[in-house]
Amino acid sequence: GQQVMQIPQYQHVQEGEDFTTYCNSSTTLSNIQWYKQRPGGHPVFLIQLVKSGEVKKQKRLTFQFGEAKKNSSLHITATQTTDVGTYFCADDQTGANNLFFGTGTRLTVIP
Amino acid sequence: KAGVTQTPRYLIKTRGQQVTLSCSPISGHRSVSWYQQTPGQGLQFLFEYFSETQRNKGNFPGRFSGRQFSNSRSEMNVSTLELGDSALYLCASSAGQGAAEQYFGPGTRLTVT
Repeated sequence: GQQVMQIPQYQHVQEGEDFTTYCNSSTTLSNIQWYKQRPGGHPVFLIQLVKSGEVKKQKRLTFQFGEAKKNSSLHITATQTTDVGTYFCADDQTGANNLFFGTGTRLTVIP
Repeated sequence: KAGVTQTPRYLIKTRGQQVTLSCSPISGHRSVSWYQQTPGQGLQFLFEYFSETQRNKGNFPGRFSGRQFSNSRSEMNVSTLELGDSALYLCASSAGQGAAEQYFGPGTRLTVT
């Protein structure tokens, strides 16, 4: 079956440093969605990538979809304490709202 | 618009009992998905309902079931609870078919003792 691994599993950064999480799938991804879950909270939608090679930016966040649609990445420039949380990628396998989530990367930002 | 609401927020049950969790989606949303989140297995898809019909089901035993009402509210039921069913159960709603952003509720924290 499909496996979606994210690396690293944990990341500690000093405030102001950059951060990147990588999402790698054993099968071709359909549409990639990224979510952020704050400690004690619930996943919150960040963005969706659909096309091969797509790059989208949201302020300090840059999202990429691999050319072969088997990987994706999220890069945060100059992290802030508000960026703390776990970042998940998720494959919308059938386009019918059944997300296959990656393993997540937990980000800690040290002030 | 009000967000997705889930009740109850916390629940403690004993092995062998059954439990029903409720989810009210965002007004106008017709799709409701359920997920189980545990430290060991992460976020796993349970099932998805659209207009009262189950469209997709994850890889969970038959003890896990759900339904959706005509007002799009959804319930999930777990029968014969096991210790391993302890988890955060999240529901998410979305506006319609296709690759659509999902809005998650705060979850129900179920503890089975």
